[in-house]
Amino acid sequence: AQSVTQLDSHVSVSEGTPVLLRCNYSSSYSPSLFWYVQHPNKGLQLLLKYTSAATLVKGINGFEAEFKKSETSFHLTKPSAHMSDAAEYFCVVSDQNDYKLSFGAGTTVTVRA
Amino acid sequence: KAGVTQTPRYLIKTRGQQVTLSCSPISGHRSVSWYQQTPGQGLQFLFEYFSETQRNKGNFPGRFSGRQFSNSRSEMNVSTLELGDSALYLCASSLAPGQGIEVDGYTFGSGTRLTVV
Repeated sequence: AQSVTQLDSHVSVSEGTPVLLRCNYSSSYSPSLFWYVQHPNKGLQLLLKYTSAATLVKGINGFEAEFKKSETSFHLTKPSAHMSDAAEYFCVVSDQNDYKLSFGAGTTVTVRA
Repeated sequence: KAGVTQTPRYLIKTRGQQVTLSCSPISGHRSVSWYQQTPGQGLQFLFEYFSETQRNKGNFPGRFSGRQFSNSRSEMNVSTLELGDSALYLCASSLAPGQGIEVDGYTFGSGTRLTVV
């Protein structure tokens, strides 16, 4: 069985400061891990993915995440937040054997001017 | 390339009715999966199809069903609608899990917002 825990339901940052969104996962197999972003009334957009290649993954819009197997973590970071980063972020785990994605509960990011 | 297309974007239905939602995947993508998003339960997996075969199904009642056609387009159906079925229904496509994740991951459509009154 696979599952994801997003450790913060809400994160508030000032524009221009770093963003850290924390995610721990559980998986019986070698997982694929993703971060998706959802803006209000929109679908899900892929930010980045880890699929057993480099443990530091760079995504779109300046986001990156580091896969740490020993800590079962896949935290998302961005060095400098922009107002357009205000959205909901989902950490997602998938293994190749059951053909589904398991989503975390989501982290809402607020960016203060 | 064209993205994942879901139709209709919005639906309002009455309790007891049935509804059919459609999803057209990215060209060349053969796997289609469906998810339900609600404020209370978050994003939950409904089912996944590949080459017209359902390979996995989430923990939903039998009122929720789906199918996939030979061109990879998929439909999901909900019969005897209940108020609790009000949700955003999202479709995702990929080349094929286990083969395509490394390339494209999963691409989501904009969803169908279903309201049951």
